Amino acid sequence: AQSVAQPEDQVNVAEGNPLTVKCTYSVSGNPYLFWYVQYPNRGLQFLLKYITGDNLVKGSYGFEAEFNKSQTSFHLKKPSALVSDSALYFCAVRDYRGFKTIFGAGTRLFVKA
Amino acid sequence: GAGVSQSPSNKVTEKGKDVELRCDPISGHTALYWYRQSLGQGLEFLIYFQGNSAPDKSGLPSDRFSAERTGGSVSTLTIQRTQQEDSAVYLCASSSSPDTQYFGPGTRLTVL
Repeated sequence: AQSVAQPEDQVNVAEGNPLTVKCTYSVSGNPYLFWYVQYPNRGLQFLLKYITGDNLVKGSYGFEAEFNKSQTSFHLKKPSALVSDSALYFCAVRDYRGFKTIFGAGTRLFVKA
Repeated sequence: GAGVSQSPSNKVTEKGKDVELRCDPISGHTALYWYRQSLGQGLEFLIYFQGNSAPDKSGLPSDRFSAERTGGSVSTLTIQRTQQEDSAVYLCASSSSPDTQYFGPGTRLTVL
């Protein structure tokens, strides 16, 4: 069965510093991996995805994520955090055979000015 | 274009009552998903529909929960005999492929 783990409930980072939000997954076969963001009082928004190809994926708002098959990880990164990046981030995985998508528990990112 | 819409935005009901939550997906999207987000929790998969295929109901927490999708478009999630633990935000999403999902604003359900 598919599963996603986001080991950190919360990540704190100072504005201008690099940020990493961790995600590991378990799925049969090749994974489809996603990151979504939920800003306060707003709906979930797509950030980026890995389907195939380059292990480094670039997405919206300057975010990127690196797919590491051997470590079954898909960590979200940004070189320089902004206060406006403060939000709830969800990692998700989908089995390539179907549509069912499993989301992680979410990681709350706080960026301090 | 229009995004995913959900109604009502808020629903307060009494324990034991039935509720219906509606989702209007993006036109042309063949896949539709329902999730539940409890306070401080992640997204819990409930059910998805894909075209004319049988829905994947593996996430429905009990037989009090059911969903249907009429004409490959609008979907209704029904919760019978609501319990306080059903209180949550119910999110709907649609997609045009097994790929990026577009989420609606959610329905906040409060069971008193």
